[in-house]
Amino acid sequence: QKEVEQNSGPLSVPEGAIASLNCTYSDRVSQSFFWYRQYSGKSPELIMSIYSNGDKEDGRFTAQLNKASQYVSLLIRDSQPSDSATYLCAVNSGGYQKVTFGTGTKLQVIP
Amino acid sequence: GAVVSQHPSRVICKSGTSVKIECRSLDFQATTMFWYRQFPKQSLMLMATSNEGSKATYEQGVEKDKFLINHASLTLSTLTVTSAHPEDSSFYICSANSQGATGELFFGEGSRLTVL
Repeated sequence: QKEVEQNSGPLSVPEGAIASLNCTYSDRVSQSFFWYRQYSGKSPELIMSIYSNGDKEDGRFTAQLNKASQYVSLLIRDSQPSDSATYLCAVNSGGYQKVTFGTGTKLQVIP
Repeated sequence: GAVVSQHPSRVICKSGTSVKIECRSLDFQATTMFWYRQFPKQSLMLMATSNEGSKATYEQGVEKDKFLINHASLTLSTLTVTSAHPEDSSFYICSANSQGATGELFFGEGSRLTVL
């Protein structure tokens, strides 16, 4: 069983719609959760971090965490073509060597 | 966010030569840095954890004699790909953690290595 699982996609949404990206993780002691955006040929860029259950909003982005279900999601409102990228879910279970990345979900926002 | 700089961004070398990639934390001290490799359309693969003042910790299957890591200061880690071969061609990315063990990882720009 993979430690951090994401649907590889591609997830296609029309411009202006809400994109919903999901991630599950296996380690119950995980403490920190991150979403990174990676454009093709570029390195990952941190867009959201979340540490406690519930929602965290930052502009058009909302991260949602449910530790009981071991589930973290990212919602992108008013999706733009520039949001088209691969989104990586990352989970830190404590300690410098325990950041685990999912394989990423490719998002395509159709103009 | 914290700034991590990587150099060079692109390098082309002949088979059998060695290539050094530098990773610097510009506005914070990083006792630990991480080196990743990413092949086209694949996910990030952690290669090794670089520890300032001590030996790097390599992931299973990564040859430590092939990928030499040196972390001589709190702001600089280097990855040297020794005797490079075409199969080593990849996107190499470093990252560092600026906020302790549970903080966010910040990535360098990445270095695209092409071995002819």
